[in-house]
Parts: sequence; C-alpha cells; structure tokens
Amino acid sequence: GNSVTQMEGPVTLSEEAFLTINCTYTATGYPSLFWYVQYPGEGLQLLLKATKADDKGSNKGFEATYRKETTSFHLEKGSVQVSDSAVYFCALNYGGSQGNLIFGKGTKLSVKP
Amino acid sequence: DAGITQSPRHKVTETGTPVTLRCHQTENHRYMYWYRQDPGHGLRLIHYSYGVKDTDKGEVSDGYSVSRSKTEDFLLTLESATSSQTSVYFCAARPSGQPDQPQHFGDGTRLSIL
Repeated sequence: GNSVTQMEGPVTLSEEAFLTINCTYTATGYPSLFWYVQYPGEGLQLLLKATKADDKGSNKGFEATYRKETTSFHLEKGSVQVSDSAVYFCALNYGGSQGNLIFGKGTKLSVKP
Repeated sequence: DAGITQSPRHKVTETGTPVTLRCHQTENHRYMYWYRQDPGHGLRLIHYSYGVKDTDKGEVSDGYSVSRSKTEDFLLTLESATSSQTSVYFCAARPSGQPDQPQHFGDGTRLSIL
C-alpha cells in the first residue's frame, strides 16, 4: 500500500545550521509529493511540492527533489533561522484527482539562537 | 488560507455525548476533508467530500459521520463521543482539478472527551 516514512524528531539545530529532514515513500504510480509546515497553534501550510521525477520544489529557502530511483523527497535548507521552528510533514497524494493525502508522522524542528 | 474557519476551536465534553464540529470555507472549493492529529500518528484522514452530498470514508472513519449540504460547509459528527476520540481535528479544502493541487487547512479544533 501507500505510505510515507519521515525521520523521527525532535531535531534541534543552532541558527544558520544546515537542515535535512528525510522522507521516503511507497506508492503505486507517480504520486505528487508535498512538504507542509505547522507552526504552534496553527493548521498546516503548504511549504513546497513536486509532481514528477526530478522535479525540485522550493520555497522560503527550503528545497526538496523528487527522487523516483530512491523513492525519496528529503527537505533541505542551507541556513535555518529561529523562525523555522515548527513541525514539518511530508505527504503524498494517493487519491489522484480527489487529492487524498497520506502524511508522515511529522518532524519537530527547534532552532536555537 | 482559502478562508477556512473551524468551530468551535476548543471543546470539552463527556463520554457518550454527541459532538458536531463545523468547517466553513469561502473559496467554493469542491473537495473537503476531515483529519485527526495525534502524537506519533501525524494526520489521518477521517472522511472526505467530493461535492455536495458526496462523501466517502477515510482511514479512521469508525465512530464518525459527516454531512455536506452546502458547498461551503462540512460537518463532522461524533454520535457518541469516546475518550479515544480526544484529538485535534483539522478541516481542509481543495479546488477540483489537478492532483498536484494542495489542500488548505483550517486552524484546528481541540476536542477533549472526559
């Protein structure tokens, strides 16, 4: 079946450190892949997306590349800020046009000044 | 985002009582979703709707029902609440169209069942 596995947290980094949050997936066909971010007390917001192999999604300094050969969609940022502290979710669309998503369990990131 | 409002934002109730959560959207999106968020589980889909009066079950639908009588409103009902349904509930909406269209989320309802 379809599934998403992302690295367990929490992750604690110092400001300006490099961030990687690993995400791998299992799916039939060619799902669209997403990273969402959740700030404390809020709902999820789309961070970036990719729809086909080798696509790179990017936003706010974050990047992720759709790697079909390794079934991965790792999230990276070169220099994190305190304001990046949040929970990050990897997700895949398994529902085609209906857009049903399967989410990873989330990775909590804390960035210290 | 996509004008999604959830009500109430917080609710405390007792086991065995009925509970209805409301999701209202202002963007005329066709698809709407209800999720629950629990530690160690991420978000799990409860029910979704693909149009007025068109709904279907998600991964964790037992004990929940939904209704959508208008495009803008999607109601989630716990007929007889249990402590295992204590959770944070999120509604989302999405326009019809391409599979890469993202879902837009409300700010959640924190439900405690004592």
